[in-house]
Amino acid sequence: SQQGEEDPQALSIQEGENATMNCSYKTSINNLQWYRQNSGRGLVHLILIRSNEREKHSGRLRVTLDTSKKSSSLLITASRAADTASYFCATDTDAGNMLTFGGGTRLMVKP
Amino acid sequence: KAGVTQTPRYLIKTRGQQVTLSCSPISGHRSVSWYQQTPGQGLQFLFEYFSETQRNKGNFPGRFSGRQFSNSRSEMNVSTLELGDSALYLCASSFGGGFTDTQYFGPGTRLTVL
Repeated sequence: SQQGEEDPQALSIQEGENATMNCSYKTSINNLQWYRQNSGRGLVHLILIRSNEREKHSGRLRVTLDTSKKSSSLLITASRAADTASYFCATDTDAGNMLTFGGGTRLMVKP
Repeated sequence: KAGVTQTPRYLIKTRGQQVTLSCSPISGHRSVSWYQQTPGQGLQFLFEYFSETQRNKGNFPGRFSGRQFSNSRSEMNVSTLELGDSALYLCASSFGGGFTDTQYFGPGTRLTVL
């Protein structure tokens, strides 16, 4: 079973707009990571946020983490057509013995 | 530095056969993890190897097995293939192992079972 659930499952926006994706998880975590996957290829690591952090930035990416609500959000600002991909959140368990992924959000950015 | 490589990229097998997939991690990385990705179940963790030892295992039947060699290269084997084993198999490597390290993924092996 999946640890994380992502919302929305699919998102379509225009270039230049912001995209927000949400991830909820079930059990205590050490950290939460976001990955991008282009059309059935390998995953690319975007950002890692630890359980004692609330917000993190990397370029056009902003990630927040609310451990009380067991949720995280990924914001991509000023989106580009090249951002079209599936985005996954992944959490390690408190025991740190595996990484579990959410179902992903399919983002389409129209030029 | 070369990235994670996986061979072969595509495979077609029939039910009942077995298959071996290979993963070469980034140089210097000692941890290799394997994942199965299907449209129905999403991305699921199979197992992790660190210094030739299986350290963690997901919830998959014993038909799925793996090993790691002294040069950190890893193989996974699936015996008695079933139709439901059709999937994209991804491996990822990290330097120190454990899932607080960034995982670097390979391009995957697309397995089709007929």
